[in-house]
Amino acid sequence: DADVTQTPRNRITKTGKRIMLECSQTKGHDRMYWYRQDPGLGLRLIYYSFDVKDINKGEISDGYSVSRQAQAKFSLSLESAIPNQTALYFCATSGQSYNEQFFGPGTRLTVL
Amino acid sequence: TQLLEQSPQFLSIQEGENLTVYCNSSSVFSSLQWYRQEPGEGPVLLVTVVTGGEVKKLKRLTFQFGDARKDSSLHITAAQPGDTGLYLCAGVRDYKLSFGAGTTVTVRA
Repeated sequence: DADVTQTPRNRITKTGKRIMLECSQTKGHDRMYWYRQDPGLGLRLIYYSFDVKDINKGEISDGYSVSRQAQAKFSLSLESAIPNQTALYFCATSGQSYNEQFFGPGTRLTVL
Repeated sequence: TQLLEQSPQFLSIQEGENLTVYCNSSSVFSSLQWYRQEPGEGPVLLVTVVTGGEVKKLKRLTFQFGDARKDSSLHITAAQPGDTGLYLCAGVRDYKLSFGAGTTVTVRA
């Protein structure tokens, strides 16, 4: 079984819709992250959480929000989706050793 | 503006050839990581380098961290088609990672 799972894997939505992407992990890590990946730009950090009561903005948090429901669950919401949020979204976890990241399989989001 | 610059952006070579990917920054990092990503999957960690000047080998892959901890390189010897993928470097500062844009490597059989 995968250690980091993401749902859905693919989603097509329309401008203005609210979207939630979910992430679950069985690695027992406290730290969880949301990234987006765009061609030619690599991975950019949206939000991160170091424990259940901790939420921090990353470099591109505008238009996004997150919820850390439990140690194992971290969800990302797009309150009102816009076309330039079309991207691959990855959830990751890390332990305390050098912040080495373990990534989920990704969600491909298309906003029309 | 990318904190980490990777070069080249694309690399296509014949099986058996060698290749080097570079990762450069003007910033100092506490450690640097290399990941490989295949289509439809998330990145997978290959190695972490921590000490300036450190060299780590993983079979045919050699990773080097610059003396000043600002840059790194990945060298693949005798590349194989299974080495095809997107290679990403990531620098760690203040418990967060900054990724380079990646190098797409294609190894032709």
